[in-house]
Amino acid sequence: QVQLVESGGGVVQPGTSLRLSCAASGFTFALSPMLWVRQAPGQGLEWVSFISSDGRTDSYPDSVRGRFTIARDNSKNSLYLQMNSLSVEDTAVYYCARDGEGGSFDYWGQGTLVTFSS
Amino acid sequence: SYVLTQPPSVSVDPGKTARISCGGNNIGRESVHWYQQKPGQAPVRVIYSTSDRPSGIPERFSGSKSGNTATLTISRVEAGDEADYYCQVWDAVLELRFFGGGTKLTVL
Repeated sequence: QVQLVESGGGVVQPGTSLRLSCAASGFTFALSPMLWVRQAPGQGLEWVSFISSDGRTDSYPDSVRGRFTIARDNSKNSLYLQMNSLSVEDTAVYYCARDGEGGSFDYWGQGTLVTFSS
Repeated sequence: SYVLTQPPSVSVDPGKTARISCGGNNIGRESVHWYQQKPGQAPVRVIYSTSDRPSGIPERFSGSKSGNTATLTISRVEAGDEADYYCQVWDAVLELRFFGGGTKLTVL
């Protein structure tokens, strides 16, 4: 069965960087475009990045473009999100998801939490 | 760019039908997807491509669209359907994804 397991979240300071990882199994990862979605505490879902199956194409919303970089290693069945210049507005649970039919998100991981120290 | 508007909350009695709307400029030409999210859990896709239901999702869940408004309909609502529901569309040209603000479904 499809499994997506995120890791790398934690408590960070504003202005610092963090890299999230997502380990995929149960499907042919190298053929699947992948995405990251985040959810701030008590808020709705926000898409934050997309990467094509071969890693050559990516896209971001304005809120993170230039600060976040999505990457993948198909040899390791792994997806990554490099987050730089973090701010308190980036506090959220970050989910990795597989691209599904019609641009939907057909499978989701359980998420990893990024928070800021006061 | 798409702005998807959902009602913040919908309430329904058990056994009745719940309808959650998702309105947006020009979504009439796009596929709309729907997700259910229960507290502390990851979202689950319940409808894709406006009206298709993934395997394992009860037939009580259905989707439709008229003009620029998509609707998720849940028939014979059960207590276990209480959750947040989100609509989503895909701009395939720019490779951008958009979510609605979410609707909290309360089963009375």
